[in-house]
Amino acid sequence: EDQVTQSPEALRLQEGESSSLNCSYTVSGLRGLFWYRQDPGKGPEFLFTLYSAGEEKEKERLKATLTKKESFLHITAPKPEDSATYLCAVQGQETSGSRLTFGEGTQLTVNP
Amino acid sequence: EAGVTQSPTHLIKTRGQQATLRCSPISGHTSVYWYQQALGLGLQFLLWYDEGEERNRGNFPPRFSGRQFPNYSSELNVNALELEDSALYLCASSQSWGGQPQHFGDGTRLSIL
Repeated sequence: EDQVTQSPEALRLQEGESSSLNCSYTVSGLRGLFWYRQDPGKGPEFLFTLYSAGEEKEKERLKATLTKKESFLHITAPKPEDSATYLCAVQGQETSGSRLTFGEGTQLTVNP
Repeated sequence: EAGVTQSPTHLIKTRGQQATLRCSPISGHTSVYWYQQALGLGLQFLLWYDEGEERNRGNFPPRFSGRQFPNYSSELNVNALELEDSALYLCASSQSWGGQPQHFGDGTRLSIL
């Protein structure tokens, strides 16, 4: 069974204070690891897909990296508008078809 | 490009009733997925439809069912509603399956009184 664990559960940063969010996973053959951002009352917004260890993707202040056991979402010089819940999900090749298995998320608050 | 649209935004029902939730995928997407996001819990996979067929279902009872229409839109039906069915129901679509990102709508908030 695919499993995803995210840490920390909640993170408070000052504007400009860089940090990282962790996503640890176990999966029977990784088809893809996905990062999403979810604002209150909204559906998850797709950020990145990572397919193999060593891969990195960047978008504005966000950078996602992948190893064989975990992924990191690095946030550089965050702004208050980066406040949201960040979700990590995996898709396995063998046991889960096309379903995504999500972690519980990290609730990020960036104070001005 | 229009995103995934879901209706209604909110739905209030009582125990034992039936609910129907609707989803229109992004144009060109053939796969539709349904997830449940209950308060304090993560997103849980419900159902996956592709090319009109149910391809996979999560660990939910049979009173959760759905279908996909020829235009790739989908509906989720929940029968014999229970209090614990109160949740945000999210629909997602993807261009194909197997490694493609799933794009989500803003969900239907189902409240059971």
